[in-house]
Amino acid sequence: EDKVVQSPLSLVVHEGDTVTLNCSYEVTNFRSLLWYKQEKKAPTFLFMLTSSGIEKKSGRLSSILDKKELSSILNITATQTGDSAIYLCALAAYSGAGSYQLTFGKGTKLSVIP
Amino acid sequence: DADVTQTPRNRITKTGKRIMLECSQTKGHDRMYWYRQDPGLGLRLIYYSFDVKDINKGEISDGYSVSRQAQAKFSLSLESAIPNQTALYFCATSDLRQGGGEKLFFGSGTQLSVL
Repeated sequence: EDKVVQSPLSLVVHEGDTVTLNCSYEVTNFRSLLWYKQEKKAPTFLFMLTSSGIEKKSGRLSSILDKKELSSILNITATQTGDSAIYLCALAAYSGAGSYQLTFGKGTKLSVIP
Repeated sequence: DADVTQTPRNRITKTGKRIMLECSQTKGHDRMYWYRQDPGLGLRLIYYSFDVKDINKGEISDGYSVSRQAQAKFSLSLESAIPNQTALYFCATSDLRQGGGEKLFFGSGTQLSVL
């Protein structure tokens, strides 16, 4: 069974701090790893990492996939109060006949205080 | 804006009642999904559909059924609601042509409470 474990489960930082969120996984047939941000209700897509694209960056956010260590990190530099959200990690794994399934972690709740 | 719309936004019902949650999308995506989110448990897949004639069970399909009425519409039914189905329900879509299909676009969610 595929597993996704995120750490920490919650985190409180001050504006301007840099944070690193972790996602480790166990998978039989890796396809991709995705990060989402959930602010109020709907999760929104941040990054997708694959074997051919192990590092992504967008503004203050960046993410790296380490296939050897079976993990990924999401970095946020110079945090702002608007970064307060739950960050979800999801693993896409092949499940046979060319199909695949997404398994989500429980999320990391980030709170950025002024 | 192309969107994923869920109705209702909130619903309170009683044990044993039949409930339908509806989802429609204007993104033109072929794939649609229903997830539930419980505090401390993350998102779990209930059902998914890759096209109008395709319906697949997810991780936690017991007690639920779905209908894909058209490419743009995917509804979730609870035939006889029970309290442990109280959760936040999300509809999501994806497109094989965009990021391989695993890049999901979520609706705003339906908060369901079963008393």
